[in-house]
Amino acid sequence: GIQVEQSPPDLILQEGANSTLRCNFSDSVNNLQWFHQNPWGQLINLFYIPSGTKQNGRLSATTVATERYSLLYISSSQTTDSGVYFCAVGPRDSNYQLIWGAGTKLIIKP
Amino acid sequence: NAGVTQTPKFRVLKTGQSMTLLCAQDMNHEYMYWYRQDPGMGLRLIHYSVGEGTTAKGEVPDGYNVSRLKKQNFLLGLESAAPSQTSVYFCASSYSGGALYEQYFGPGTRLTVT
Repeated sequence: GIQVEQSPPDLILQEGANSTLRCNFSDSVNNLQWFHQNPWGQLINLFYIPSGTKQNGRLSATTVATERYSLLYISSSQTTDSGVYFCAVGPRDSNYQLIWGAGTKLIIKP
Repeated sequence: NAGVTQTPKFRVLKTGQSMTLLCAQDMNHEYMYWYRQDPGMGLRLIHYSVGEGTTAKGEVPDGYNVSRLKKQNFLLGLESAAPSQTSVYFCASSYSGGALYEQYFGPGTRLTVT
């Protein structure tokens, strides 16, 4: 089945820094979502982005489907950005499945 | 518009006990899903439903049963709880399948089986 790898596994930054999180996947996908899981465990939808580029405030994401990767950019980090960022992909031959990466744990220090 | 809600938020069971988790969505979504999340991992699909009255197995279905009697509700049952089922359970829903099916998640239920 499709493999999803996220890097780096852990990231510690000072408030105000920028960061890039990467998601590689091993096969064609028809869905790709980025989520933020906050320290209280809540999953927050960030982007639905099977291809192209989207921006939402300080966050933006780019998916290059032909090269099988997606990037999540966080600019001017705030302590509230701390948590785990997950990438989840939907295989092209499935209309329901989401395969999840192991996540990137981000800690923003004040 | 509450989105996806789950009850209860927390539960402690003894081995062998049974319980039902309730998921409700008010977005008129056709598809609903139950996932589990173990420490340090992403989510894994337990069961899903593509419409009222239908259910199907996901990646890790053993030890769980589900029912979708109403479009807005999706129930997850544990008939005889085991310590290996200690986890955080998330429900999700999506408008449909195919290429435009962004999934929306509930707040989670933390289950401990002793």
